[in-house]
Amino acid sequence: NAGVIQTPRHKVTGKGQEATLWCEPISGHSAVFWYRQTIVQGLEFLTYFRNQAPIDDSGMPKERFSAQMPNQSHSTLKIQSTQPQDSAVYLCASSPPSSERLFFGHGTKLSVL
Amino acid sequence: QQQVRQSSQSLTVWEGETAILNCSYENSAFDYFPWYQQFPGEGPALLIAIRSVSDKKEDGRFTIFFNKREKNLSLHIKDSQPGDSATYFCAATLSSGSWQLIFGSGTQLTVMP
Repeated sequence: NAGVIQTPRHKVTGKGQEATLWCEPISGHSAVFWYRQTIVQGLEFLTYFRNQAPIDDSGMPKERFSAQMPNQSHSTLKIQSTQPQDSAVYLCASSPPSSERLFFGHGTKLSVL
Repeated sequence: QQQVRQSSQSLTVWEGETAILNCSYENSAFDYFPWYQQFPGEGPALLIAIRSVSDKKEDGRFTIFFNKREKNLSLHIKDSQPGDSATYFCAATLSSGSWQLIFGSGTQLTVMP
């Protein structure tokens, strides 16, 4: 089992460009979570899906950020018109059915210049 | 206001000592408290967890002591090893809710050989 796979590992964008981050959860896991990690804010919850349905997006900035889970094998986090303050490590995690345990990927480090 | 607080940003102990990492929380409804361990360049990984019905959980060298009345908990790492040097995150959630994990800001532990 390869674990949660996130691509790319590093992404550099210019201010105003779009960034799409990919996550492949562990096969058989029913929930997918997105977190953002920075030195200042720590680990911030963004959004989560269960059985591909969006359940809670209370942590998502209302403008420019969107997440989708078109099938059980991948989820995407899209950031439009990226800003320097979006620079962070974006972590995807998946969770088996009926479990609170999160299995995190290595993260995508986004740098907005 | 932070819902989950870790009192120390960093902690240094000598090899063989017991490291004690502290955590407190605001929401008395939280009932599941995991500790995650993170090494540089990796995502956090579950180390040990406790439910609010228990006051102690032990797993090898790692023990959680939980005080529901005081709304705090601590992670004890017995016989600390240099390989335990990592960042430790306390987290909390309401398992009957959306299962969104709220993380503390982390404690960076350094174990000196």
